[in-house]
Amino acid sequence: QSVLTQPPSVSGAPGQRVTISCTGSSSNIGARYDVHWYQQLPGTAPKLLIYDNNNRPSGVPDRFSGSKSGTSASLAITGLQAEDEADYYCQSYDSSLSGRVFGGGTKLTVL
Amino acid sequence: QVQLQESGPGLVKPSETLSLTCNVSGGSISSYYWSWIRQPPGMGLEWIGYIYYTGITNYNPSLKSRVTISIDTSKNQFSLRLSSVTAADTAVYYCAKDRGGWYVDYWGQGTLVTVSS
Repeated sequence: QSVLTQPPSVSGAPGQRVTISCTGSSSNIGARYDVHWYQQLPGTAPKLLIYDNNNRPSGVPDRFSGSKSGTSASLAITGLQAEDEADYYCQSYDSSLSGRVFGGGTKLTVL
Repeated sequence: QVQLQESGPGLVKPSETLSLTCNVSGGSISSYYWSWIRQPPGMGLEWIGYIYYTGITNYNPSLKSRVTISIDTSKNQFSLRLSSVTAADTAVYYCAKDRGGWYVDYWGQGTLVTVSS
């Protein structure tokens, strides 16, 4: 059971907007530790998608955006494309565990 | 752009020690943090620990008693040792470059390590 909770799966049609939630607690996201998001395409290593809650590395399309509020964070993907079909993971730091924690991952299916 | 490549045995016997090395190219290993992260087949990501180029380490508390991460700046490499392995340690092991010890900005391609007799 992961410290950060994500829905196991989400889906959307091409062109639509989807969001993926990441729920934590007062010892991680609620303690104002930053949230980061990774995209893992099938059979490949994860790739940094969003860092420090809402920043995109160079090369990541602006269709991807992140937000954080209270003990939760969200990843939004607009203009959904077939190539976005992947697993998405959130990650933060937990002061009770004194270490980095990941969400369990969300599988995005493009219908 | 930095590139990372894991190397080591793909099969380890139960109770033995898993040893992996990560070769860093395209940049110096100095001045950065370096992590190991694993992913059991069909499951999510688990942070193992990181090392700063000075040798300072931070480990996942759940693995701390069995993990050692070391660094060799002269070879631009860092390594992972995980002792007393069981089948539960079977996973794809990724080495990665960290930003400030907070998140990963570059990942290796990963290497599957199977624990089996």
